[in-house]
Amino acid sequence: NAGVTQTPKFRILKIGQSMTLQCTQDMNHNYMYWYRQDPGMGLKLIYYSVGAGITDKGEVPNGYNVSRSTTEDFPLRLELAAPSQTSVYFCASSYSINLSEAFFGQGTRLTVV
Amino acid sequence: AQTVTQSQPEMSVQEAETVTLSCTYDTSESDYYLFWYKQPPSRQMILVIRQEAYKQQNATENRFSVNFQKAAKSFSLKISDSQLGDAAMYFCAYRSAGAGNMLTFGGGTRLMVKP
Repeated sequence: NAGVTQTPKFRILKIGQSMTLQCTQDMNHNYMYWYRQDPGMGLKLIYYSVGAGITDKGEVPNGYNVSRSTTEDFPLRLELAAPSQTSVYFCASSYSINLSEAFFGQGTRLTVV
Repeated sequence: AQTVTQSQPEMSVQEAETVTLSCTYDTSESDYYLFWYKQPPSRQMILVIRQEAYKQQNATENRFSVNFQKAAKSFSLKISDSQLGDAAMYFCAYRSAGAGNMLTFGGGTRLMVKP
């Protein structure tokens, strides 16, 4: 029972480079989310998805893109990395019914230099 | 938009003692859910306890309990018999009962447990 799996765990990018953070869940959850956590701060929602083919912006979507072609996968794309995107990124998923908790991946620490 | 505020950036407690972490939130909704998440150094986000706003009874999970004051929009976490393994960042979170199931997090409280 893997839960929510994120790859990679760590990454260093140069300014202007692109990369995709992978997220997959094996719990058949409809809802998936991407959060970023800056040092000493809470998590801020970047994008979320309520099901395959449906995505929407969260609080801090600029500089990111997502897609949801399957229920299991929800990759986060950074097209032109900037130092402001240095953060820890968390993917999460939950059932679509109320009261369900969100299950989180272990996070990806991204540094843009 | 909802906001969640944790006014204590850091707290410390002696092992076996009790500590209370504060959380306030702002919302115009009447139906919602509140959570406390624990984030140890491993970065994993672990659900500690949840509370449904429509329930008057405070949630309890073993050594963890909450004091939910809906009118005051307050949701504090009490940890009894603190253990060294309780040392972590604790995040209070709010989720609307409506569509999206999005969580809004507070800024976190770092809890240190002294042996």
